[in-house]
Amino acid sequence: QVQLVQSGAEVKNPGASVKVSCKASGYTFTSFPIHWVRQAPGQRLELMGWINTGNGNTKYSQKFQGRVTITRDTSANTAYMELSSLISEDTAMFYCTRVPAYCGDDCYFFDSWGQGTLVTVSP
Amino acid sequence: DIVVTQSPDSLAVSLGERATINCKSSQSVFYNTNNKNYLAWYQQRPGQPPKLLIYWASTRESGVPDRFSGSGSGTDFTLTISSLQAEDVAVYYCQQYYATPWTFGQGTKVEIK
Repeated sequence: QVQLVQSGAEVKNPGASVKVSCKASGYTFTSFPIHWVRQAPGQRLELMGWINTGNGNTKYSQKFQGRVTITRDTSANTAYMELSSLISEDTAMFYCTRVPAYCGDDCYFFDSWGQGTLVTVSP
Repeated sequence: DIVVTQSPDSLAVSLGERATINCKSSQSVFYNTNNKNYLAWYQQRPGQPPKLLIYWASTRESGVPDRFSGSGSGTDFTLTISSLQAEDVAVYYCQQYYATPWTFGQGTKVEIK
């Protein structure tokens, strides 16, 4: 079955960067984009961006443009999300996620999720 | 960006009773060409990632109990839990995927009365 396994919790100083990984298994990695979602405490879920795992093309939400970089390593079936210039408000759970296999080109809801990676930004 | 607003923020329902959650989008998420509403519902239990319940506003995901149902069109949608069970205690989110950036509601917390 589809599994997305993320790297462990991180504690970072303000101004630093964090890189979170998401290892996929149970399907052909390059067949589905990987999306990244942020969930700050008490806040709504926010789409940060996504990567076409086949050709490496990326699209970022305007809110995170310039601070987020999403990459992938097809040999390792792994996607990465790096967030730079961290501030305390970036303290959040970060999820990688994928659309269902039955989706066509126009559905962007998500049925497979990583377990989440807690990033804490604190001096 | 399309703003998605849920109501209420929280509700407490007795076991076996009906729970109703509303979701309103700032613009229509109905696409005339294919007659579909681009709206999904998720359940998030404490310490877990979201779980997909409903997509295309009213299509239940495989394996989701039939006490969960979605309805609505255009800008106004509803998630109904027909008979609340203890395991339904969670936060519920709606999400529009009509236009990027795809956006979520602020969540509705469902508790047992």
